[in-house]
Amino acid sequence: QSALTQPASVSGSPGQSITISCTGTSSDVGSYNLVSWYQQHPGKAPKLMIYEVSKRPSGVSNRFSGSKSGNTASLTISGLQAEDEADYYCCSYAGSSTLWVFGGGTKLTVL
Amino acid sequence: QVQLVQSGAEVKKPGASVKVSCKASGYTFTSYDINWVRQATGQGLEWMGWMNPNSGNTGYAQKFQGRVTMTRNTSISTAYMELSSLRSEDTAVYYCARGGGYSGYPHYWGQGTLVTVSS
Repeated sequence: QSALTQPASVSGSPGQSITISCTGTSSDVGSYNLVSWYQQHPGKAPKLMIYEVSKRPSGVSNRFSGSKSGNTASLTISGLQAEDEADYYCCSYAGSSTLWVFGGGTKLTVL
Repeated sequence: QVQLVQSGAEVKKPGASVKVSCKASGYTFTSYDINWVRQATGQGLEWMGWMNPNSGNTGYAQKFQGRVTMTRNTSISTAYMELSSLRSEDTAVYYCARGGGYSGYPHYWGQGTLVTVSS
């Protein structure tokens, strides 16, 4: 099972919106509404930001939103803040043999 | 609140095995899957496998089959991940992550355990 494809880096200025894409295949992203997104600051454990494509866990800002079209999922962060600077990973269910597959990660820089 | 506390850093020689523990609290241990995910320095996240703490059923990523074993001790709400035949490429931070929802996506994460494989 190959990793999902994410851009290596994205950047934006405070207050702007950015979108991170996550491209998989018809065997993972395209087949299941089970895409999650994680934020990871340096030296820290990942934190769940979005699950089941577009749901936000309790305590996560509504500036974070998720969507999916075909084999590509997206994470949008609106009203960028300095503390949003981090690595972001997507993850998708990939079937009963390899349950979960991650993207390669995207480094978000807030300019 | 849900907490997953992992064992401390390990240094192992090539060919050895390592066993990482993950102690759960704040919820019923047998009600949610435990996933194991690793991250080499400067690299992305890699899913290794899952375990159902209630039944003990497991599923491993093909890459790790034959080398990884996931077990649990329900009496102390602790999950374990053992990786054998270690090589330098196994140097990474290993995370346990409790599953969420009906599908078991990684939700709550432990703090990570650094495993260094070096001669």
